[in-house]
Amino acid sequence: NAGVTQTPKFQVLKTGQSMTLQCAQDMNHEYMSWYRQDPGMGLRLIHYSVGAGITDQGEVPNGYNVSRSTTEDFPLRLLSAAPSQTSVYFCASRRAGGYGYTFGSGTRLTVV
Amino acid sequence: AQKVTQAQTEISVVEKEDVTLDCVYETRDTTYYLFWYKQPPSGELVFLIRRNSFDEQNEISGRYSWNFQKSTSSFNFTITASQVVDSAVYFCALYNNAGNMLTFGGGTRLMVKP
Repeated sequence: NAGVTQTPKFQVLKTGQSMTLQCAQDMNHEYMSWYRQDPGMGLRLIHYSVGAGITDQGEVPNGYNVSRSTTEDFPLRLLSAAPSQTSVYFCASRRAGGYGYTFGSGTRLTVV
Repeated sequence: AQKVTQAQTEISVVEKEDVTLDCVYETRDTTYYLFWYKQPPSGELVFLIRRNSFDEQNEISGRYSWNFQKSTSSFNFTITASQVVDSAVYFCALYNNAGNMLTFGGGTRLMVKP
């Protein structure tokens, strides 16, 4: 049972480039979320989804897009990378009615 | 809006000392859940405990204990007889039924020296 899998683990982008961070879970969880972690600020919610075809914005959504075409996958797209998006990104999932989140191992993104 | 404050950004102790990590939260909801997560140097987030707002019983798990006090909106975490392996960043987080997000505190970096 893999849990929540994030790829890649590390990525360096140039300003203006686009990329997709992948997140997949094999627990049939309805809820999936993306967080970013910055020093001293804990984790902040970017976007979340309560099921396939349904997404919504979190606390810091600007510069990011998401879609949820299947229950398993919840990719995060950076449209035009900026240095301010240098961060560690975590994907998390939970089942509906549950309150325990399972987190992926994170993607460390550097934008130069 | 809800908020979680971990006022201690960094704590350094010597092995075998007891240490308490503070967490204060704000929410208007009557039903909510509080969490503690550990983030070791390897970077993953490790779930430690969840407590719901209706259960104020303190909990002990080995060397770990948690003190939940609604009257002061606090959910403090104590490590007894700390060990070097306890060195990590610890996050307190709050979840409410109305929203769909965990609100995290800024984290406390604990360094346990041999």
